[in-house]
Amino acid sequence: AQSVTQPDIHITVSEGASLELRCNYSYGATPYLFWYVQSPGQGLQLLLKYFSGDTLVQGIKGFEAEFKRSQSSFNLRKPSVHWSDAAEYFCAVGAGDYKLSFGAGTTVTVRA
Amino acid sequence: GAVVSQHPSRVICKSGTSVKIECRSLDFQATTMFWYRQFPKKSLMLMATSNEGSKATYEQGVEKDKFLINHASLTLSTLTVTSAHPEDSSFYICSARALRFGSTDTQYFGPGTRLTVL
Repeated sequence: AQSVTQPDIHITVSEGASLELRCNYSYGATPYLFWYVQSPGQGLQLLLKYFSGDTLVQGIKGFEAEFKRSQSSFNLRKPSVHWSDAAEYFCAVGAGDYKLSFGAGTTVTVRA
Repeated sequence: GAVVSQHPSRVICKSGTSVKIECRSLDFQATTMFWYRQFPKKSLMLMATSNEGSKATYEQGVEKDKFLINHASLTLSTLTVTSAHPEDSSFYICSARALRFGSTDTQYFGPGTRLTVL
């Protein structure tokens, strides 16, 4: 069975500082990996995804993620955080039938 | 981009009544839609997979007689919570899998429906 672990429940970062959100997955084959962001009252928005190829994936809003098979990780990074990045971030892993398993989420707070 | 809407965004109902939630893909056709449930400060839990023209596939532990899913067209899926109870109060989110954008593996999510059962 597939599963996702997001070890950090809550992260506070200063505006302009870098951000890294951790994601570890468990999946028997090559995973389809996703990062979504959910703002209050909003639906989930896809930041980026990895299916194959280059292990460093560029996404929207200046985010990137790196797939490391040896560590079963897919960490999300942003070099300089903006106040608008405050939200809930979810890592997800998909199977061949496209069902997604989500991590518990990481809440990001941005302080001025 | 792909837009998915849900209606209503918020509903309050009395215990014992039924509530219908609609999920629509506005600018694309979706042969597959998914229904999730999200508890406060919790992850999304997949409830069922809805395929146009066929019966939904429910995840283990989800009561199919309580959560009725209908996917009558390529742009509309509905979730009906029957005989709702307070423990059914939650945030329900749908997603639709888009086929026309070249990737068959991207799901687009609706904004969610907040159900409160009194």
